[in-house]
Amino acid sequence: SQQGEEDPQALSIQEGENATMNCSYKTSINNLQWYRQNSGRGLVHLILIRSNEREKHSGRLRVTLDTSKKSSSLLITASRAADTASYFCAKIAGSARQLTFGSGTQLTVLP
Amino acid sequence: SQTIHQWPATLVQPVGSPLSLECTVEGTSNPNLYWYRQAAGRGLQLLFYSVGIGQISSEVPQNLSASRPQDRQFILSSKKLLLSDSGFYLCAWAPRPQGQLNTEAFFGQGTRLTVV
Repeated sequence: SQQGEEDPQALSIQEGENATMNCSYKTSINNLQWYRQNSGRGLVHLILIRSNEREKHSGRLRVTLDTSKKSSSLLITASRAADTASYFCAKIAGSARQLTFGSGTQLTVLP
Repeated sequence: SQTIHQWPATLVQPVGSPLSLECTVEGTSNPNLYWYRQAAGRGLQLLFYSVGIGQISSEVPQNLSASRPQDRQFILSSKKLLLSDSGFYLCAWAPRPQGQLNTEAFFGQGTRLTVV
């Protein structure tokens, strides 16, 4: 089952604009992770935020986590055409070690 | 450094034929291993995960099976492929967590399987 659901499913913006993607989940988490996938390729880890953290930054990426709302957001600032990809949130489900992913957001950055 | 190898990159197989996809990890020991399937334009569906040799957990009932004959080798198999088995298959590994599960996963480049 998918433990994270992203929205929007697709997002198209102009280069230089900011892109915000959201992720909701249903059960408690130890951490939430964001990944990027270029078309037809494997996933690359972007950032991990622990359940006791509220915000984390990495370069142009900013991730927030609201455990009371069971939601997270990924903000990409000053987007570039090279940011075009699918973005997924993922979580580890308890002690069973399953790493489960949401359905992803397809981001298109137009030059 | 750790690396993950997944092959083949693409595969076209007839319905009813067997399948064997292999994934190996280098540079680490006792990893957690995962097989995912991704339909076109969709998210990742967890098929199997393994926390040790011979230990396989299946997430969804299906026509596929997995095995872990060695610590860093994970194999996805089928005796008879169905059309619905077509998709993009991804192998991943994550460090065996120590205490808190604050680890990222590392993915292979995937196998695009087309069953015809």
